[in-house]
Amino acid sequence: SQQGEEDPQALSIQEGENATMNCSYKTSINNLQWYRQNSGRGLVHLILIRSNEREKHSGRLRVTLDTSKKSSSLLITASRAADTASYFCATAPWANAGNMLTFGGGTRLMVKP
Amino acid sequence: KAGVTQTPRYLIKTRGQQVTLSCSPISGHRSVSWYQQTPGQGLQFLFEYFSETQRNKGNFPGRFSGRQFSNSRSEMNVSTLELGDSALYLCASSPGQGLRLSEAFFGQGTRLTVV
Repeated sequence: SQQGEEDPQALSIQEGENATMNCSYKTSINNLQWYRQNSGRGLVHLILIRSNEREKHSGRLRVTLDTSKKSSSLLITASRAADTASYFCATAPWANAGNMLTFGGGTRLMVKP
Repeated sequence: KAGVTQTPRYLIKTRGQQVTLSCSPISGHRSVSWYQQTPGQGLQFLFEYFSETQRNKGNFPGRFSGRQFSNSRSEMNVSTLELGDSALYLCASSPGQGLRLSEAFFGQGTRLTVV
């Protein structure tokens, strides 16, 4: 079963705009990760934020985590057409969870040139 | 460094048959996990193998099984295929221990169609 929901399910923006995706989860976590998937292919790891962190940056990506609300957000700044993909959040329940990730339903992002 | 390799990329099987999918992890990675992705259920964890032992298991029937070899390569098997098993099967590898143990690297997947 899925850990939680992602919001919105689909997002369409113009190139250069910012895109914000939200993720909620249900149980305690050790860390939360964001992945990108292009057109039914493999997932690409974007960023990992641990439960004791509140914000993390990587290039044009900014992730926040609010463990009290069991939610996270992914912000992509200055979006490009190449950012068009589905984005998933995934949670790991404990530090030694290895690869046992629970994924959200994903947000389909379309960036129009 | 070579990425995660899954074979075959596409597969068509008939109901009732069985299928074996293969995954070669990144060199040095000892953890391999399998996920099923369908439009209806999304991405669901099947099982994880670490050093040839199943370490974690998701909520799937016993028709789904896997194994890991001493070189960390992994196979998953689905017996008595059902139409609902049609999905993209993704394999992910990670070091399995250490500071970055939770960062997973995914293969391109095997698209299984059951007819």
